Amino acid sequence: QVQLQESGPGLVKPSQTLFLTCTVSGGSISSGDYYWSWIRQAPGMGLEWIGYIHYIGSTFYNPSLKSRVTISVDTSKNQFSLTLRSVTAADTAVYSCARQMGHGGSRYFDSWGQGILVTVSS
Amino acid sequence: EIVLTQSPGTLSLSPGERATLSCRASQSVSSSYLAWYQHKRGQAPRLLIYGASSRATGIPDRFSGSGSGTDFTLTISRLEPEDFAVYCCQQYGSSPYTFGQGTKLEIK
Repeated sequence: QVQLQESGPGLVKPSQTLFLTCTVSGGSISSGDYYWSWIRQAPGMGLEWIGYIHYIGSTFYNPSLKSRVTISVDTSKNQFSLTLRSVTAADTAVYSCARQMGHGGSRYFDSWGQGILVTVSS
Repeated sequence: EIVLTQSPGTLSLSPGERATLSCRASQSVSSSYLAWYQHKRGQAPRLLIYGASSRATGIPDRFSGSGSGTDFTLTISRLEPEDFAVYCCQQYGSSPYTFGQGTKLEIK
């Protein structure tokens, strides 16, 4: 049973960079069958998919965040990371990492982390 | 992008009753690429249904999904106490992948 765990600072100042890491256990991030995603939920809002990475390094981002987002992978540590630049209060949210199916057109999320609250405030 | 609208926002029912949750898309979801998730506070979301009607591994058969095109339904045939949670739909037929705002299923 694969497990995902987010880590990183819970408070980021406006205009700075948010950096979060997701550690995968119980399975290899180097499995070609999956993509590794970040999703967020702002207070009172629905879930928003941020983007995904494949272990070989290919990425795909939500156009709404593409200019500020980078997702990277470290296969040696079985981790992947989220970098979000120039944050504002609107980026305050619970950030979750998830495993996304990669076969055919199926892109649903079969495993999730619990999420980490990141607040953007001075 | 495809906007998903879930209804009702809150559903109040008793254990043993039948729950019917709706997810409507702003445009047709290709290949019925729609999933349902259960989310309890403080826990990771759990995949219930994918492909509109396929149950994920380990999901009890009281959970069923149906629909196609723009209208999808999650049905819980007989509510158990552990089923009271937030339910969310997600489409993966086109990018960006989008989610509904959720239906809260609460005990009446």
